[in-house]
Amino acid sequence: KAGVTQTPRYLIKTRGQQVTLSCSPISGHRSVSWYQQTPGQGLQFLFEYFSETQRNKGNFPGRFSGRQFSNSRSEMNVSTLELGDSALYLCASTRTSSGGEKLFFGSGTQLSVL
Amino acid sequence: QKEVEQDPGPLSVPEGAIVSLNCTYSNSAFQYFMWYRQYSRKGPELLMYTYSSGNKEDGRFTAQVDKSSKYISLFIRDSQPSDSATYLCAIQDSYGGSQGNLIFGKGTKLSVKP
Repeated sequence: KAGVTQTPRYLIKTRGQQVTLSCSPISGHRSVSWYQQTPGQGLQFLFEYFSETQRNKGNFPGRFSGRQFSNSRSEMNVSTLELGDSALYLCASTRTSSGGEKLFFGSGTQLSVL
Repeated sequence: QKEVEQDPGPLSVPEGAIVSLNCTYSNSAFQYFMWYRQYSRKGPELLMYTYSSGNKEDGRFTAQVDKSSKYISLFIRDSQPSDSATYLCAIQDSYGGSQGNLIFGKGTKLSVKP
C-alpha cells in the first residue's frame, strides 16, 4: 500500500512569493492534516481536512490556507512568504481505530525562503 | 506551562544500552499516548500507541504511561545504531474527532554509537 506522498520535496522561494504544496493521502484515508516543523517550535498543527471540509485550524495567520479535493488529495498554500516560513511542511493522513487516531506522515516538503 | 514537555537531548548511548525517553504533560484530560520516530529528512512514523496506564511492549520497545504523574516513557532495549533518530511523544485528549487535539512534544534526538 502506497504511503503518503508529498510534492515537491524541496522548494526555494523568495520573500513575498507564494507557494503551493501537494499531498496525496493513503488510499482510503479521508482525513488529511498539515503540520509545520521547525527546530525551535517543533511540530505545529496548521489545519485538518475531512471530506473536503476544514475540520480544525491551528493558530497560524490567514496567509496559510488549504483545501481538499473529492479524491482526498490536499493542497496547502502560503501567500506573501516570510523568512520565518522556512520549515519542513508535513502532511499526514489519518486512520481511525481503537486506541486513538493514528497519523501517517509523508516525507515532507522542505521550504526555504530567502 | 506547556501542555507537553520533552527533553530535546541530544542523547548519546553505546550500542546495546537501554534507552529511556520521557515526556510530561499538564492536562489530565489527555487519554491517548503515542510515540513517533523521525529519521533525518523523513516524516515521523508511528512507533507505539496506548490509551491506558501501564506498559505496552512491542519487540525491543516498551511504552509506559503513568496518568497519576502525567508522565509517559519509551524504553528501547538492546539499542542499535539504526535506532538513531528523533523520538516525539504525542498526546491526544479525544478520539474520533479532529487532529487539532493531538499535541506533540518537541522531540528527543537519540544517537546510538556502534
